[in-house]
Amino acid sequence: NAGVTQTPKFRVLKTGQSMTLLCAQDMNHEYMYWYRQDPGMGLRLIHYSVGEGTTAKGEVPDGYNVSRLKKQNFLLGLESAAPSQTSVYFCASNPTGFQPQHFGDGTRLSIL
Amino acid sequence: DQQVKQNSPSLSVQEGRISILNCDYTNSMFDYFLWYKKYPAEGPTFLISISSIKDKNEDGRFTVFLNKSAKHLSLHIVPSQPGDSAVYFCAASANYGQNFVFGPGTRLSVLP
Repeated sequence: NAGVTQTPKFRVLKTGQSMTLLCAQDMNHEYMYWYRQDPGMGLRLIHYSVGEGTTAKGEVPDGYNVSRLKKQNFLLGLESAAPSQTSVYFCASNPTGFQPQHFGDGTRLSIL
Repeated sequence: DQQVKQNSPSLSVQEGRISILNCDYTNSMFDYFLWYKKYPAEGPTFLISISSIKDKNEDGRFTVFLNKSAKHLSLHIVPSQPGDSAVYFCAASANYGQNFVFGPGTRLSVLP
């Protein structure tokens, strides 16, 4: 029972490069989320999805895009990485919106 | 401006004693609150929740108290154990909604 799996766990990028972070959940959850965590701040919501084929903006969506083509996967894309996007990224899911979320172990992303 | 605040970045407690972690919020629309625990290199894991219709909820060694008039909640851990050493986040949502706002976290160290 893997729960929420994030790939990769670590990545270093150069400014201007693009990449995609993958989140996969095996719990058949409808809702999925992408957060970023920065020192001294709580987790901030980037984008979320309330079901397959849907996405919505969170608190800090600029510079990111997402897709939810399959129910179990939620992809976070950085089209042109910037140093301000250096952060730890967490994916989460839950069966319905107002329930505790299950989190992955995070992706540590450094942009030089 | 942070809607959810955890004003103590860190807390140290002796094993066996009580740990009290505090959380304040500014949005009076928040009606559902969660506490998460996070170990290094892992994602947050759900600990305990409370809705605004209650002022107390307990689960084993963990009790959460909610004071709506003061917009304050606290997590009590009794007795504290070394394995409780982690970062604790409180999170809040409005209208039992799907999006949570997280505090910056408090690092708890339980000393043997």
